[in-house]
Amino acid sequence: NAGVTQTPKFQVLKTGQSMTLQCAQDMNHNSMYWYRQDPGMGLRLIYYSASEGTTDKGEVPNGYNVSRLNKREFSLRLESAAPSQTSVYFCASRPVQVNTGELFFGEGSRLTVL
Amino acid sequence: DAKTTQPPSMDCAEGRAANLPCNHSTISGNEYVYWYRQIHSQGPQYIIHGLKNNETNEMASLIITEDRKSSTLILPHATLRDTAVYYCIGTGYNFNKFYFGSGTKLNVKP
Repeated sequence: NAGVTQTPKFQVLKTGQSMTLQCAQDMNHNSMYWYRQDPGMGLRLIYYSASEGTTDKGEVPNGYNVSRLNKREFSLRLESAAPSQTSVYFCASRPVQVNTGELFFGEGSRLTVL
Repeated sequence: DAKTTQPPSMDCAEGRAANLPCNHSTISGNEYVYWYRQIHSQGPQYIIHGLKNNETNEMASLIITEDRKSSTLILPHATLRDTAVYYCIGTGYNFNKFYFGSGTKLNVKP
């Protein structure tokens, strides 16, 4: 099993450009998440999706949009990239249990905005 | 949602037990406490979680105080490969939002 797969792994953008980070999981998990991690900092929740067709904001949603395309895929879009969005982005998924169930993370996507 | 507080860094000698504390005084009665770690810049790795009782698995033990306001993660015999940032997390009121905070940088020294 591949687990959680993120693409691309590295990307350099110019200010104002747009791009979409892709995430797919093959574990039949209901919940999926997008986090960002700035250098020397902890992870901050951008958006999450509790199930197919639903999304909700996390701590730092401004400047991002998400799409839960189906149960497997959860994409994160930057419409107009800014240098402040330079970060490592992690996607995660979680099984359906309500009170328990751990997060499974992808390897991260490293984004630099010039 | 529970806010967690952890020391920014700790040192531990190789082969000794590493005890990492976490305060979560605002945790609700049915909110789990999770521990993850992040080695270098990899994706965080699940370690253990618990609600009220102490828990143990092949990686670590989790001790939760009776009032549930704090917990301690114990790595019984720390190795150099345990050097990482350790995060203590509450699941949030809807059991779905995981807020990581800044974590504790554990330095295991030879």
